[in-house]
Amino acid sequence: RKEVEQDPGPFNVPEGATVAFNCTYSNSASQSFFWYRQDCRKEPKLLMSVYSSGNEDGRFTAQLNRASQYISLLIRDSKLSDSATYLCVVLKEAGTALIFGKGTTLSVSS
Amino acid sequence: NAGVTQTPKFRILKIGQSMTLQCAQDMNHNYMYWYRQDPGMGLKLIYYSVGAGITDKGEVPNGYNVSRSTTEDFPLRLELAAPSQTSVYFCASQSTMGYNEQFFGPGTRLTVL
Repeated sequence: RKEVEQDPGPFNVPEGATVAFNCTYSNSASQSFFWYRQDCRKEPKLLMSVYSSGNEDGRFTAQLNRASQYISLLIRDSKLSDSATYLCVVLKEAGTALIFGKGTTLSVSS
Repeated sequence: NAGVTQTPKFRILKIGQSMTLQCAQDMNHNYMYWYRQDPGMGLKLIYYSVGAGITDKGEVPNGYNVSRSTTEDFPLRLELAAPSQTSVYFCASQSTMGYNEQFFGPGTRLTVL
């Protein structure tokens, strides 16, 4: 089983749609979780951290289910500018390298 | 702050040539990383460093070497370039304190022909 797995997509949605991305991780002792965004031919950038209680940042909601080793990202009211690849990222333990999923590609059309 | 900078942005190498990809950060971060990203694939860790003078292998270190003589700089050396090393190379840095966000440079696009 891969350490971090994501549905590669692509997800093609119209503007205004709600879309959800899922991610699973293999190491139950993993400590921290993140969603990064990568635009085409650009570097990844942090979108948001994922907390056990769930957290929201505007139109974006991230949730973590430690029992199922599952992370999700919900995007509401999709904008054209949301088109990008979304990377699920896991930190196994402090002082170690982040582990990146392959990413899920989102394309929002008008 | 310039953040993480990488040079060059693009490079074409012939098989067997060598080159050094430069990476520098001005955030006084102890942790630095080199990743490669092949088309349609995720980031693969090549090497990382937890501080000046300390480096360690990642998932795909073969064909590469690194050094970390200062906190700011973390160059990646390619010896005897091969077509399989055609990729986009990203350098990243991270603070050891608190929040574990990694900051990435803009990448170097390398083609080996």
